[in-house]
Amino acid sequence: DQQVKQNSPSLSVQEGRISILNCDYTNSMFDYFLWYKKYPAEGPTFLISISSIKDKNEDGRFTVFLNKSAKHLSLHIVPSQPGDSAVYFCAASALSGTGRRALTFGSGTRLQVQP
Amino acid sequence: KAGVTQTPRYLIKTRGQQVTLSCSPISGHRSVSWYQQTPGQGLQFLFEYFSETQRNKGNFPGRFSGRQFSNSRSEMNVSTLELGDSALYLCASSRGQKNTEAFFGQGTRLTVV
Repeated sequence: DQQVKQNSPSLSVQEGRISILNCDYTNSMFDYFLWYKKYPAEGPTFLISISSIKDKNEDGRFTVFLNKSAKHLSLHIVPSQPGDSAVYFCAASALSGTGRRALTFGSGTRLQVQP
Repeated sequence: KAGVTQTPRYLIKTRGQQVTLSCSPISGHRSVSWYQQTPGQGLQFLFEYFSETQRNKGNFPGRFSGRQFSNSRSEMNVSTLELGDSALYLCASSRGQKNTEAFFGQGTRLTVV
């Protein structure tokens, strides 16, 4: 049972346009959400995060929106650049019974930005 | 500041063998987590070590185990390898506090033949 779902395995956008990557979650205990970017043959790189007490967090061209009632978050990249082409993973975090946190990842969305 | 270092980068093993992967976290980071990435499955959490103790565990069989040393370096062991264990194994380190931004290594690509 996937607790974090990225239903679009791939997305293609034109350079300069907006890229919107979506993520849905089912566990209401998740209270911290992150986006990671991954290039081939490299480990994931942290991009941006948001706490459940917020509904928006912005960092340069990247904005993450959180809709807790819908259990949905999205990553907006504006404007998209060819260097943004990568696999994007959504991740969610909750306190476990041991008081520790683990990241639960979605299956990823491959973004391709066309020049 | 050096990043997370995983060795080896690539590994080929035969079914039934066992394997040990190594991870050196960022200096000052006390938490090390291990993830398995397979095509279409995203990153699956294996376990987390903090202060030499396993603090959290994912849903993997007992063939997957790990440990952490006093210098925070961690090793992951998989015994009785199966073809389905072929994957990219990623290690992530963090300070271990509430801020859960984890920093990943480049991973070890394990192929079981």
